[in-house]
Amino acid sequence: QMQLVESGGDLVKPGGSLRLSCAASGFTFSNYAMAWIRQAPGKGLEWVSYISLGGGTIYYADSVRGRFTISRDNAKRSLYLQMNSLRAEDTAVYYCGRDSQTGDGYTFDYWGQGTLVTVSS
Amino acid sequence: DIQMTQSPSSVSASVGDRVIITCRASQDFSGWLSWYQQKPGKAPKLLIYVASTLQTGVPSRFSGSGSGTHFTLTISTLQPEDFATYYCQQADSFPLTFGGGTRVELK
Repeated sequence: QMQLVESGGDLVKPGGSLRLSCAASGFTFSNYAMAWIRQAPGKGLEWVSYISLGGGTIYYADSVRGRFTISRDNAKRSLYLQMNSLRAEDTAVYYCGRDSQTGDGYTFDYWGQGTLVTVSS
Repeated sequence: DIQMTQSPSSVSASVGDRVIITCRASQDFSGWLSWYQQKPGKAPKLLIYVASTLQTGVPSRFSGSGSGTHFTLTISTLQPEDFATYYCQQADSFPLTFGGGTRVELK
């Protein structure tokens, strides 16, 4: 059964750091590009970052570029998001999503349950 | 960047109603447009991709159409389990962008 499980969310002070993880199971992780998408409390969805199959191609939203780093370890079937210089506006539920790899754009066919990051003093 | 605008932001409907949600893009693009359903406290679920292709397991009462800058999601006969928030997403180019969401609520 296909599963994505995020972890690492926590309460952190502004300026602090956090590392999120997403553990994949039930599919061949190395065959799929992955992404992080977030949702601030009561708000809509915001794409954060994307990483290709082997990690050689990476994209970031302007709002996080230079502060967040996406990475993956295919041997460990895991996706990561290193978050530095956190701001109050980074407060959100962070989801990892699997790119469906249909060849027709960047669509996310499976999502984890999310992990909550709260940035507050 | 391609900006996505959904309308309406919310709609009140009854079981059995036909509901149409619109998504407009700020510029013409490939039509790689996806629709997601999200229920409170849950992760989004993919419904439709490439504007009109139904994801496996999604009921046929959901349909998508459109091209260029104008796209629609139609729920032909609203069921109790369809009360949720729906998002469109352009899957064409980075930065990937979502519409603001449409909440379908019980009249």
